[in-house]
Amino acid sequence: EAGVVQSPRYKIIEKKQPVAFWCNPISGHNTLYWYRQNLGQGPELLIRYENEEAVDDSQLPKDRFSAERLKGVDSTLKIQPAELGDSAVYLCASSFMAGGGSYNEQFFGPGTRLTVL
Amino acid sequence: KQEVTQIPAALSVPEGENLVLNCSFTDSAIYNLQWFRQDPGKGLTSLLLIQSSQREQTSGRLNASLDKSSGRSTLYIAASQPGDSATYLCAVSTYDMRFGAGTRLTVKP
Repeated sequence: EAGVVQSPRYKIIEKKQPVAFWCNPISGHNTLYWYRQNLGQGPELLIRYENEEAVDDSQLPKDRFSAERLKGVDSTLKIQPAELGDSAVYLCASSFMAGGGSYNEQFFGPGTRLTVL
Repeated sequence: KQEVTQIPAALSVPEGENLVLNCSFTDSAIYNLQWFRQDPGKGLTSLLLIQSSQREQTSGRLNASLDKSSGRSTLYIAASQPGDSATYLCAVSTYDMRFGAGTRLTVKP
């Protein structure tokens, strides 16, 4: 069974340029997460989707970050314009959440390492 | 706001030692706690998931315990091997998932 797929694996851009990351979750998983991980720290949640709906985007810097999950499967995270402080690893994860709000095991993709020059 | 702390930040042990990694959290109203392993430049690999109603989970040489009332979890690694060298992260699920900063483990041959 394929795991969570992310692309690209690496991206180097100049500040003020746009960038987009793509994620394909594990088949059948209804919940998708985007995290940002800075060096030496744990991942921080940016946005969580349940099917097509963004149910938690409180940590997403909405002035420059946007995300979408059309048809409740693949997702794209975009930054426009990128800033130097956006350099980090962007991780996508997925899980299957049954009714009742109980969170199940999350599976992570390999991440996209973004460097903003 | 849930705060997750992992101690120690780094640990170096000789091969064969048994070791314990610690995780503490401030809000005991959790759904579950998950332990992950992260190798350099890689994503996170799930090791063990403990639901809030459980006290421990075991997988091979790994054993994770959960004490919700005191806000603590431990990951026990038996007979450590050089291949266990990685960063170990714990994550707590309430409404969202909060991670600790991790413990960087080095097992020396």
